[in-house]
Amino acid sequence: NAGVTQTPKFRILKIGQSMTLQCTQDMNHNYMYWYRQDPGMGLKLIYYSVGAGITDKGEVPNGYNVSRSTTEDFPLRLELAAPSQTSVYFCASSSTENTGELFFGEGSRLTVL
Amino acid sequence: AQKVTQAQTEISVVEKEDVTLDCVYETRDTTYYLFWYKQPPSGELVFLIRRNSFDEQNEISGRYSWNFQKSTSSFNFTITASQVVDSAVYFCALSPDLMDSNYQLIWGAGTKLIIKP
Repeated sequence: NAGVTQTPKFRILKIGQSMTLQCTQDMNHNYMYWYRQDPGMGLKLIYYSVGAGITDKGEVPNGYNVSRSTTEDFPLRLELAAPSQTSVYFCASSSTENTGELFFGEGSRLTVL
Repeated sequence: AQKVTQAQTEISVVEKEDVTLDCVYETRDTTYYLFWYKQPPSGELVFLIRRNSFDEQNEISGRYSWNFQKSTSSFNFTITASQVVDSAVYFCALSPDLMDSNYQLIWGAGTKLIIKP
């Protein structure tokens, strides 16, 4: 049981480039989330999804886009990368039965130069 | 406004010492949930505990214990007889009623715990 899988684990981008962080979960969870973690800060919610075809903005959505075409996949798209998007990104999932217990991926460290 | 404060940025203790991580929260909701997560050096966050606002009983799980006090809006985490493997960043988080919030959590900044051998 792989849980939540994120790729890539590390990536360096140049300013203005675009990329997609992939996230897949095999637990059939309805809810999926993208967080970013900056040094010395807690997690900030970027986008979340309550099921296939449904997404919504979190606290810091600017510069990002998501889609949820299947229950398993929740990719995060960075358009026109900026240095302010240098961060560690975490994908997480949960089911209605878990009552708030989030299952996290291992994180993706992104550096924009 | 809802907020979680973990005032201790970093704590360093020698193995086998007891250590308490503080968490203070702010909310106007009567129904809410509190969480602790652990982030070991490998990076992946791991769920430790969930507590709802109607249950103020302390909880103990092995060397871990949690003290929830609504009167002081605190949800502190104590590790007894600490071990090197407890070294990690620990996050406290708050959620209003889970279904209404779509399980969105409000996170503290985290406390980095260093256990020296």
